[in-house]
Amino acid sequence: EPEVTQTPSHQVTQMGQEVILRCVPISNHLYFYWYRQILGQKVEFLVSFYNNEISEKSEIFDDQFSVERPDGSNFTLKIRSTKLEDSAMYFCASSGDSRNQPQHFGDGTRLSIL
Amino acid sequence: AQSVTQPDIHITVSEGASLELRCNYSYGATPYLFWYVQSPGQGLQLLLKYFSGDTLVQGIKGFEAEFKRSQSSFNLRKPSVHWSDAAEYFCAVLPSSGNTPLVFGKGTRLSVIA
Repeated sequence: EPEVTQTPSHQVTQMGQEVILRCVPISNHLYFYWYRQILGQKVEFLVSFYNNEISEKSEIFDDQFSVERPDGSNFTLKIRSTKLEDSAMYFCASSGDSRNQPQHFGDGTRLSIL
Repeated sequence: AQSVTQPDIHITVSEGASLELRCNYSYGATPYLFWYVQSPGQGLQLLLKYFSGDTLVQGIKGFEAEFKRSQSSFNLRKPSVHWSDAAEYFCAVLPSSGNTPLVFGKGTRLSVIA
């Protein structure tokens, strides 16, 4: 079964540095998402992306965050000038040809900010 | 306000016993409903979904869930739990219209004892 893949599985970064988290969504999916899960807390929506632009974003997704689909397969989340509170699991998800299709999640990237 | 509530933070059941995990939502209209499971260090795996029609839906790994409109609930059940079912379970809701993104409950951690 096709799956969403995320790299790296664990990223350790110094506070203030930029980090890019990478995702390869399922190939025929059109909707892409990033979520965050701070340790011990619930999964929180960050942003959704469709037709090469952001379709929805939460208030967490401020100016330090950006997303990009640089080619036909990758979907990236960039965090500029990371803060300690950015430490979390970041999940990428994708869904099919409409927003009500089930979202399939990757295994996540654990981001640790030192 | 729109919300998803999983009232049980942690449940412990004996292997072979039955299981019911509760989920209640607060939305104006019937949303799309999902259950995801997260094993330690893993991503979110879709167990089952409800869009419309038969209110009892079957999922993977022997799980089922029943949508009850009158109670705004979508409880997850399994008749006989296996040790490998120990994980975190998340109920998620997607409003059937508009652009509100997928909203997760806080999760219920399931422990299975011999």
